[in-house]
Amino acid sequence: SQKIEQNSEALNIQEGKTATLTCNYTNYSPAYLQWYRQDPGRGPVFLLLIRENEKEKRKERLKVTFDTTLKQSLFHITASQPADSATYLCALENGGFKTIFGAGTRLFVKA
Amino acid sequence: GAVVSQHPSWVICKSGTSVKIECRSLDFQATTMFWYRQFPKQSLMLMATSNEGSKATYEQGVEKDKFLINHASLTLSTLTVTSAHPEDSSFYICSASKASGGAGDTGELFFGEGSRLTVL
Repeated sequence: SQKIEQNSEALNIQEGKTATLTCNYTNYSPAYLQWYRQDPGRGPVFLLLIRENEKEKRKERLKVTFDTTLKQSLFHITASQPADSATYLCALENGGFKTIFGAGTRLFVKA
Repeated sequence: GAVVSQHPSWVICKSGTSVKIECRSLDFQATTMFWYRQFPKQSLMLMATSNEGSKATYEQGVEKDKFLINHASLTLSTLTVTSAHPEDSSFYICSASKASGGAGDTGELFFGEGSRLTVL
């Protein structure tokens, strides 16, 4: 069966450290993978998209890697700040621009 | 930027009534809109894909007669929850894509703020 797995446990880190979140998927062959941020009671906000032929993508303090062999993406936030605290969602393209989301990982950054 | 407005942001209704939720793309034309449902601490579950001028495509297990979707224009899609029951209480979120099928298209989705439905 198809699955998108993200760490279900919350990730707690100290301000200034790098947060690393993992997304693993099974039985998908996405042309691209995306990461979104979601705050409580709000809709998700797009952060980064990485295509299947790209290994790494960066945007300011964010970095995403995509390994289609391992079927895994890693999402890094460097120099993390308390304002980065949120739920981060991994999302896969599943044909026709249809996007399927993982359950998300909750990140808490302590000052 | 691309802004998607969703209305209402929250609604409380009695069991058996119908509720309509609107999703508008404010500064772009959205050929395709998507409707999601989210339970607390769970993932967004795709309910249906809404294409302008045609019938919506529903995901497996989603009742099309229960959740009526209308995409009458390139900037508006509506979701109507018919004969609502307490188990329909959830957070409903719409998203819109700018994609038109061209080579430069990305899959970035622009989300509304969500509508919290509570059925008493």
